[in-house]
Amino acid sequence: QQQVKQSPQSLIVQKGGISIINCAYENTAFDYFPWYQQFPGKGPALLIAIRPDVSEKKEGRFTISFNKSAKQFSLHIMDSQPGDSATYFCAATKGGATNKLIFGTGTLLAVQP
Amino acid sequence: DAGITQSPRHKVTETGTPVTLRCHQTENHRYMYWYRQDPGHGLRLIHYSYGVKDTDKGEVSDGYSVSRSKTEDFLLTLESATSSQTSVYFCAISESSTGGNGELFFGEGSRLTVL
Repeated sequence: QQQVKQSPQSLIVQKGGISIINCAYENTAFDYFPWYQQFPGKGPALLIAIRPDVSEKKEGRFTISFNKSAKQFSLHIMDSQPGDSATYFCAATKGGATNKLIFGTGTLLAVQP
Repeated sequence: DAGITQSPRHKVTETGTPVTLRCHQTENHRYMYWYRQDPGHGLRLIHYSYGVKDTDKGEVSDGYSVSRSKTEDFLLTLESATSSQTSVYFCAISESSTGGNGELFFGEGSRLTVL
């Protein structure tokens, strides 16, 4: 049973546009929600993370929006650039437990110049 | 980049043969993990280690074993490889197991093909 559902599977955005990736979770005990970015041939790397005590977190062009009541969170990439082309994974866990991280299935983002 | 080296980076083997993947870290982190990445499944935890000789199962541990005899090395063994184990395997490390930012640092992956 997929505890973290991620959509869309793939996304094509024009340079300068906004990329939006959505995730939904089932376990209400989850309290830490990171996003990982993976470039081809590389391992994933932490991009940004949020805890449910805030509804939004912004770091540069990357923003996480969190809706606790709907059990959903999303990644917004503003002013998308070709260098943002990568696979993005949302994840969730309880208490920040790294051995219990549940990953979404990933979204392949292509930003066209 | 975190000092994580995976070897081999690519391997092709036949069904029924044993395979060992190695993860070596220079960060002296206590926690180490093996994940597999498959299309449509994201990243799934196979096994993890919370110290030398201390390991535990993850979500998809069947058919895999691990060993950690030194802080810096974490080995993943497929005793008898099957085609369903064709995947990209990632090693990851973390400084802590809970709290903080729960950040995992990943290696560059080992692509395994079982024919």
